[in-house]
Amino acid sequence: AQSVAQPEDQVNVAEGNPLTVKCTYSVSGNPYLFWYVQYPNRGLQFLLKYITGDNLVKGSYGFEAEFNKSQTSFHLKKPSALVSDSALYFCAVRDIGNQGGKLIFGQGTELSVKP
Amino acid sequence: DAGITQSPRHKVTETGTPVTLRCHQTENHRYMYWYRQDPGHGLRLIHYSYGVKDTDKGEVSDGYSVSRSKTEDFLLTLESATSSQTSVYFCAISAVASTDTQYFGPGTRLTVL
Repeated sequence: AQSVAQPEDQVNVAEGNPLTVKCTYSVSGNPYLFWYVQYPNRGLQFLLKYITGDNLVKGSYGFEAEFNKSQTSFHLKKPSALVSDSALYFCAVRDIGNQGGKLIFGQGTELSVKP
Repeated sequence: DAGITQSPRHKVTETGTPVTLRCHQTENHRYMYWYRQDPGHGLRLIHYSYGVKDTDKGEVSDGYSVSRSKTEDFLLTLESATSSQTSVYFCAISAVASTDTQYFGPGTRLTVL
């Protein structure tokens, strides 16, 4: 069965420092991986995805993610964190061929960026 | 939010009453999904639709039904609401069921007393 894990419930970073939000996955076949961000009382906003090709994927708001097949990881990164990046981040894998290609989500990681 | 609206945005209801949530899209996407978000669980699929009148169950479908009579509208009904259905409900859309991105609506916060 496909699954996604986000090992950290919360990540705390000082503004201006680099940030990493971790994600590992378990899939059969090729992984189609996504990152979403959720601000308080808002829906999920798409940040980036990995389908195929370059292992370093660039997305919205200066975020990027590195796909590592050998470590089955897809960590979200940003070189310099902003206070406005504080939000809930979800990693997800698309379950191709099942239930309309549903997304399987990790539990979410709360990112807090302090000034 | 990619041309997706949900109504109502907030609702408080009592146990045993029926509740219908609406998702409306202006993107003409074929696939529509209903997820629920609960702390510690991320989002989980309730039902999805792959075309008008074509729907199927997700992983947490018990107590829910759906209907899609038009491309743009996908309704989620709680036939007899229970406190365990207190949650935030999100609709999502996708053009295809493979590598395409799913885009999410703003959500409906439902409280069942």
